[in-house]
Amino acid sequence: ETGVTQTPRHLVMGMTNKKSLKCEQHLGHNAMYWYKQSAKKPLELMFVYNFKEQTENNSVPSRFSPECPNSSHLFLHLHTLQPEDSALYLCASSQEARGYTFGSGTRLTVV
Amino acid sequence: QQQVKQSPQSLIVQKGGISIINCAYENTAFDYFPWYQQFPGKGPALLIAIRPDVSEKKEGRFTISFNKSAKQFSLHIMDSQPGDSATYFCAARPSGSARQLTFGSGTQLTVLP
Repeated sequence: ETGVTQTPRHLVMGMTNKKSLKCEQHLGHNAMYWYKQSAKKPLELMFVYNFKEQTENNSVPSRFSPECPNSSHLFLHLHTLQPEDSALYLCASSQEARGYTFGSGTRLTVV
Repeated sequence: QQQVKQSPQSLIVQKGGISIINCAYENTAFDYFPWYQQFPGKGPALLIAIRPDVSEKKEGRFTISFNKSAKQFSLHIMDSQPGDSATYFCAARPSGSARQLTFGSGTQLTVLP
């Protein structure tokens, strides 16, 4: 365990489904991130939260909706996704970006 | 736009050989340069990091070489082992208020037994 826990590990969903990804950290970090990792592509930063406030949204489609109820939990709500959204979704936390701690990711497949 | 360029995209090395992965950056305001290692099915994990006030940092078989004037840094893996087979990402952190890491595109390393 890295200190950042993501659930579920694997998710298969239809394009009309609604699902949520969960991330939890107990490292006392003040920043949390969602990244998308597709095959043969760089890590894509999606959202950044600092002290529960969203500080960055990298032009992510509205079918992805983040939620950060407290500094230890981060969610990514998914609805009406497209097949090209299939990827590994990684959550990370950090204390002032000094060293990111990543979770193991959720492998998402949209069918 | 990508501010950290990483090469090669893939690398095959014989066991016992030296693996070298290179990164170049454009923004001179970066103040922290970490390397991450990712095994299949896992998230990236911090491997080693360097600050621009030193030219080299060594931890076991892993060494970062940093060339500030050329805006380049590289990861050297000495005596490479099959267990080192993974994807490696370089990254850079800007100084100032927007301090998210910028990642390179990754290098898939395969160490042959």
